Amino acid sequence: ETGVTQTPRHLVMGMTNKKSLKCEQHLGHNAMYWYKQSAKKPLELMFVYSLEERVENNSVPSRFSPECPNSSHLFLHLHTLQPEDSALYLCASSQETALSGNTIYFGEGSWLTVV
Amino acid sequence: EDQVTQSPEALRLQEGESSSLNCSYTVSGLRGLFWYRQDPGKGPEFLFTLYSAGEEKEKERLKATLTKKESFLHITAPKPEDSATYLCAVLDGGGGKLIFGQGTELSVKP
Repeated sequence: ETGVTQTPRHLVMGMTNKKSLKCEQHLGHNAMYWYKQSAKKPLELMFVYSLEERVENNSVPSRFSPECPNSSHLFLHLHTLQPEDSALYLCASSQETALSGNTIYFGEGSWLTVV
Repeated sequence: EDQVTQSPEALRLQEGESSSLNCSYTVSGLRGLFWYRQDPGKGPEFLFTLYSAGEEKEKERLKATLTKKESFLHITAPKPEDSATYLCAVLDGGGGKLIFGQGTELSVKP
């Protein structure tokens, strides 16, 4: 149990569907992140939120839309995805943003398959 | 350009056969180097943070060391349950981003 919970763990969606990934952290952290992990590639940072404000957006396509309603919850809304978007999507949190050198803790991930 | 390279990509050991994993990095002002363990189908699990050259940290059969250019994760007398992918990441002082290597997949056979 890492203190970062992601749902669903597995998701299969068609290219015309709209779905959302949910993340909740129970660590009292102020920063939350979305990462993408594809096979044989390093983790890619997608979005960073600090105190519910987006502070980083690594040129992610607009078909991925994040939402951070409070410091404990983070969503990733998905629409009109492509098969190459199939990957493990990891949510993470830290006490502050990585600028402060704090350790980032990850959830178990959501496996997304786009068909 | 900031870069993190891990070697080898895959490592197969017999139980009890000690070895080391390497993480080489080039960043503008290192603010921290992190080691994570990732089991198949799960998220990365935090192991260590190292901040300055010469620093060492230990946890059970694992020991992480840091120099100005690389970090090593030493595994002493590994067991099958140590099988996992080990990820290295560095926090650069410039952009403040956590940059990951591609990982080393460790397999320990009984």
